[in-house]
Amino acid sequence: KAGVTQTPRYLIKTRGQQVTLSCSPISGHRSVSWYQQTPGQGLQFLFEYFSETQRNKGNFPGRFSGRQFSNSRSEMNVSTLELGDSALYLCASSPPGGGQGYEQYFGPGTRLTVT
Amino acid sequence: KQEVTQIPAALSVPEGENLVLNCSFTDSAIYNLQWFRQDPGKGLTSLLLIQSSQREQTSGRLNASLDKSSGRSTLYIAASQPGDSATYLCAVYIGGSEKLVFGKGTKLTVNP
Repeated sequence: KAGVTQTPRYLIKTRGQQVTLSCSPISGHRSVSWYQQTPGQGLQFLFEYFSETQRNKGNFPGRFSGRQFSNSRSEMNVSTLELGDSALYLCASSPPGGGQGYEQYFGPGTRLTVT
Repeated sequence: KQEVTQIPAALSVPEGENLVLNCSFTDSAIYNLQWFRQDPGKGLTSLLLIQSSQREQTSGRLNASLDKSSGRSTLYIAASQPGDSATYLCAVYIGGSEKLVFGKGTKLTVNP
């Protein structure tokens, strides 16, 4: 079974631009979560989607948004990029139903650099 | 608010040594606890998942324990090898929400 895939793997953007990151979960997984990892803050939860609905959202500004498609693939978008958005963005999927502490499987991440 | 702490932040040991990594959390109302490994610039690899009703899990040279009442978990690595060098992250799954709360990790270096 293929693992979680994320594209692109690396991105360089300038301040003020917007960016879209993509995540394809493990086949059959319906829950997709997004996390931001920075040296200072560590790993922080952005949001989680299940069956095309956002079930939970972390404490991030509205510039961070996401969506999930009917095939469970997910995208996250960051508008009006700031230097502080430079981070490794990780996507995780979990088995059907998600929630209740099912094991999370992470992708390789997208390294975003904002200049 | 759930907080997860990992001590020590960094650890350097000679090859062959047995070692213990510690994780503590402030709220015992968790569904489970998951240990991950992260190599530099890479994603997370799941090592062990302990359900809230379990006390420990084992996989090869790894053994993780969970004591919900004291808010602690330990990851025991037996006979460490240079290939074990990585950052080890502990995360708890909060009841009532669909997210993991992570510690800052322990960076392990195993010297040949």
